[in-house]
Amino acid sequence: DIQMTQTPSSMPASLGERVTISCRASQGISNYLNWYQQKPDGTIKPLIYYTSNLQSGVPSRFSGSGSGTDYSLTISSLEPEDFAMYYCQQYDSSPLTFGSGTKLEIK
Amino acid sequence: EVQLQESGPGLVKPSQSLSLTCSVTGYSITSNYWGWIRKFPGNKMEWMGYISYSGSTSYNPSLKSRISITRDTSKNQFFLQLNSVTTEDTATYYCARYRLQIGDYWGQGVMVTVSS
Repeated sequence: DIQMTQTPSSMPASLGERVTISCRASQGISNYLNWYQQKPDGTIKPLIYYTSNLQSGVPSRFSGSGSGTDYSLTISSLEPEDFAMYYCQQYDSSPLTFGSGTKLEIK
Repeated sequence: EVQLQESGPGLVKPSQSLSLTCSVTGYSITSNYWGWIRKFPGNKMEWMGYISYSGSTSYNPSLKSRISITRDTSKNQFFLQLNSVTTEDTATYYCARYRLQIGDYWGQGVMVTVSS
């Protein structure tokens, strides 16, 4: 299985701040990388597919980048609704595997 | 609008089977892929498997001997059965639609506790 190492595990941040979450795969995944957001009520929402493509309806302050084994999610200016859990997930090979999650908290 | 809703018992005894239903409205399960994912206490997420538009299945090898995903197209539902559960199967279980390799619609999740 491809292991996904996601950092940091938690991140205190302020409204309006720019933040970046990283995800490293144990082998190259050819950009087959998605990002998801989980809200405190448990709701899961897709944010980005294939490394950098914004899912429909997702605000443009979210962006993704990366290649090979290293990928990142950036939020350019934090809004109150962005404080949540974030997960990366690879789909280069089965089984699909997730990162360990990053909890974005209000500083 | 596509909506998914998980249902099933919230408490299962060790060694028994866990059975969950995902009811889908607003879209036919005879298109795309339909998966089960679980989130453990402590935040780890695990993809369990999916059933395709044609009824073929793919499972996480870590579960392969215990898992079965089936469907009822007449009711637009698909199902998860996980056999021989232990306390380590305690998790919140989600169903999701996979389109273009991303889970684009998810249910709200159902918490399942394995305990005697």
